Amino acid sequence: AQSVAQPEDQVNVAEGNPLTVKCTYSVSGNPYLFWYVQYPNRGLQFLLKYITGDNLVKGSYGFEAEFNKSQTSFHLKKPSALVSDSALYFCAVRRGGGNNRLAFGKGNQVVVIP
Amino acid sequence: GAVVSQHPSRVICKSGTSVKIECRSLDFQATTMFWYRQFPKQSLMLMATSNEGSKATYEQGVEKDKFLINHASLTLSTLTVTSAHPEDSSFYICSAYQAGANTGELFFGEGSRLTVL
Repeated sequence: AQSVAQPEDQVNVAEGNPLTVKCTYSVSGNPYLFWYVQYPNRGLQFLLKYITGDNLVKGSYGFEAEFNKSQTSFHLKKPSALVSDSALYFCAVRRGGGNNRLAFGKGNQVVVIP
Repeated sequence: GAVVSQHPSRVICKSGTSVKIECRSLDFQATTMFWYRQFPKQSLMLMATSNEGSKATYEQGVEKDKFLINHASLTLSTLTVTSAHPEDSSFYICSAYQAGANTGELFFGEGSRLTVL
């Protein structure tokens, strides 16, 4: 079965500083990896995904993530955080192929301090 | 991108009544939809997988008679919380894969906040 670990509960960062949200995964076969963001009382918004190709994936709102197969990681990064980036971030993984279900991490609350 | 719509976004009901939440794929067909439940500041808990034209597959610990799921068409799945109790109060989110598209991406609805008094 697939699983995701997001080790930190909350990530605090000053506005303008680099932001990193960590994610490691476990899955049999080729992983499909995703990052989603959730604002209060809203659904999940897609940020980016890795399915195949370049390990560095660029997504929405200036976010990017790097797939590292040897470390089974898919950390989310942004070079310069904005206050509006404060939200709940979820990493997710599923086994490639078909309509397999996603396994979500517990989520990380990101707080960007003005 | 593909849009998934949930209705209602908020609902308040009395204990013992039933509430239906709709999940629609607006511009694509969805053979598979998922229903999640989320508690405050927690992750999404998968409740069931809804397949068009067949019975839903429920996760362990989820009462199928309590949470009725119907996926009668390629664009609509419904979740009915029967005989609701205050402990059923939660944020319910649906998601869907686009049929025939191998993008791997799951599209989410905006969620439905259920409050049972």
